[in-house]
Amino acid sequence: GQQVMQIPQYQHVQEGEDFTTYCNSSTTLSNIQWYKQRPGGHPVFLIQLVKSGEVKKQKRLTFQFGEAKKNSSLHITATQTTDVGTYFCAGPPGAQKLVFGQGTRLTINP
Amino acid sequence: EAQVTQNPRYLITVTGKKLTVTCSQNMNHEYMSWYRQDPGLGLRQIYYSMNVEVTDKGDVPEGYKVSRKEKRNFPLILESPSPNQTSLYFCASSLFNTGELFFGEGSRLTVL
Repeated sequence: GQQVMQIPQYQHVQEGEDFTTYCNSSTTLSNIQWYKQRPGGHPVFLIQLVKSGEVKKQKRLTFQFGEAKKNSSLHITATQTTDVGTYFCAGPPGAQKLVFGQGTRLTINP
Repeated sequence: EAQVTQNPRYLITVTGKKLTVTCSQNMNHEYMSWYRQDPGLGLRQIYYSMNVEVTDKGDVPEGYKVSRKEKRNFPLILESPSPNQTSLYFCASSLFNTGELFFGEGSRLTVL
């Protein structure tokens, strides 16, 4: 079926290092959304990208949507302990609903 | 305050004892959905609803039922819970089916 794949599944970094998670779809997405789930918490919406090749920034976070609208990435510059959590991408491969990637769990060594 | 409220937040039950997890949203959202989250498997959709009286199966609907009699409520029913339904459950809502999702705080269910 239509899937949204996300890698890596886990990432451990030293505080101050950069972090990137990647999201790939087998079909073109009309939009891509990113969510963050803190440990013990619920997913919280971060951003939505709609246009081909779109790049958006939120402080140290940079989000990209691929030219073909089949892939996306989230890059965090100079991680901080507050960045700990699981990051999910989600896209609507068809018209019906969002499909979530498996998530990337980020842990940080202070 | 805009929110999605789930109850109970924690529940331990036994195999076969029917239970309902309630979900209510106060944002007048059309779309509501239930997910279960298990380690390494991400968020898997159980059922969703595009509007009142319109529900459909997600990716893992077996063993679950839902109803959408009112716009604000979307309860998840486990008629005969089994241990493989032990999981963390999230209800979510959005203005439309591919819009920003607002999640409830989650319901951790253990079936013995």
